[in-house]
Amino acid sequence: AQTVTQSQPEMSVQEAETVTLSCTYDTSESDYYLFWYKQPPSRQMILVIRQEAYKQQNATENRFSVNFQKAAKSFSLKISDSQLGDAAMYFCAYRSGGNEKLTFGTGTRLTIIP
Amino acid sequence: DAGITQSPRHKVTETGTPVTLRCHQTENHRYMYWYRQDPGHGLRLIHYSYGVKDTDKGEVSDGYSVSRSKTEDFLLTLESATSSQTSVYFCAISEGGLAGGNEQFFGPGTRLTVL
Repeated sequence: AQTVTQSQPEMSVQEAETVTLSCTYDTSESDYYLFWYKQPPSRQMILVIRQEAYKQQNATENRFSVNFQKAAKSFSLKISDSQLGDAAMYFCAYRSGGNEKLTFGTGTRLTIIP
Repeated sequence: DAGITQSPRHKVTETGTPVTLRCHQTENHRYMYWYRQDPGHGLRLIHYSYGVKDTDKGEVSDGYSVSRSKTEDFLLTLESATSSQTSVYFCAISEGGLAGGNEQFFGPGTRLTVL
């Protein structure tokens, strides 16, 4: 079974600075998708960014970008110009290309220091 | 926002009582999912459905059953609630299909407390 590991339970960053959240995964498959979800205090799960394993180019969505290292099975999220609204739990998730089920990591709580 | 509602949003019940949580979608998506969220565990899949009357187990399905008699509704039942089922429960939906990488849209969650 696939596993997703987020080794940083908590992170903090100064407002306007850059922070990187780590995620590693274990799989023997070649076709899969990776996601970062954000969960603010409202508890709503919000998709931040997705990456298809077959794409070499790292995904980018405005201030959010990923560093996808397929050989190392690493999928980190970089948040640039951190804003107070970025404070949330961030979950890394894996989905096999062969099914629709998501496997989540345990999350990283990000605090933004004004 | 995807049209997903969950009811109830909060519930307190006693050990041994049956509990049913409802997820309702207005998106006509094929796939529906139930997750539970616990500290230190992230979200874990309980059951999912890939069509009306078509369901399958996730990684933490013991003690839970599901039903889907209509495309828009997916019910999660705890036949006899236990304190270990105290959790926040999320419903999610996705289109599924060959496109791949389909986003799962999540409902607002239900906080269940079993005393």
